Amino acid sequence: GQQLNQSPQSMFIQEGEDVSMNCTSSSIFNTWLWYKQEPGEGPVLLIALYKAGELTSNGRLTAQFGITRKDSFLNISASIPSDVGIYFCAGQPGGSNYKLTFGKGTLLTVNP
Amino acid sequence: GAGVSQSPSNKVTEKGKDVELRCDPISGHTALYWYRQSLGQGLEFLIYFQGNSAPDKSGLPSDRFSAERTGGSVSTLTIQRTQQEDSAVYLCASSLAAGTGELFFGEGSRLTVL
Repeated sequence: GQQLNQSPQSMFIQEGEDVSMNCTSSSIFNTWLWYKQEPGEGPVLLIALYKAGELTSNGRLTAQFGITRKDSFLNISASIPSDVGIYFCAGQPGGSNYKLTFGKGTLLTVNP
Repeated sequence: GAGVSQSPSNKVTEKGKDVELRCDPISGHTALYWYRQSLGQGLEFLIYFQGNSAPDKSGLPSDRFSAERTGGSVSTLTIQRTQQEDSAVYLCASSLAAGTGELFFGEGSRLTVL
């Protein structure tokens, strides 16, 4: 089945630093999404990308849909302590296939 | 409430017993997904329902797992003859339209099999 390779697995950074994480797939997706999960809660959608090459921002977060449709990255600028959590990429093939596959996540720790 | 509601929030059971996990999606959402998250792991797809279409069951790990969605709303995930490896958090999510991938998750049901 489809697999998403997400890296890095974890990051430990200082407050104020920028962060970058990415996801690659062995197959094409028509939709890429980024979610954040905090302890004891379900993931929450951060950014959705629907077109190859698309670059979308949400506050300090910026994400891009790779031109090959097989990758995406997420950048967080000027990190703050509340950015702590697990970030997941997710891909959906499209057409009539609505299965959403998630990466294994990037655990982000921000040191104040 | 306005969000996805799951129950129970915690369930401890003995190996071999059956369990039922319930998901109440956001009203009006046509798509409903179940995922499993083991400790420190990512989200493993189990099944999704979209409107009146046949569900995609391709992620169910064995025939001990089944799910139904009644009346296009509430869904129940049933695990028969539970095993210790079934211990995980089971997450339900709903979406206004499955094609967007924009899921709203519940807080999950934590299952512990002794």
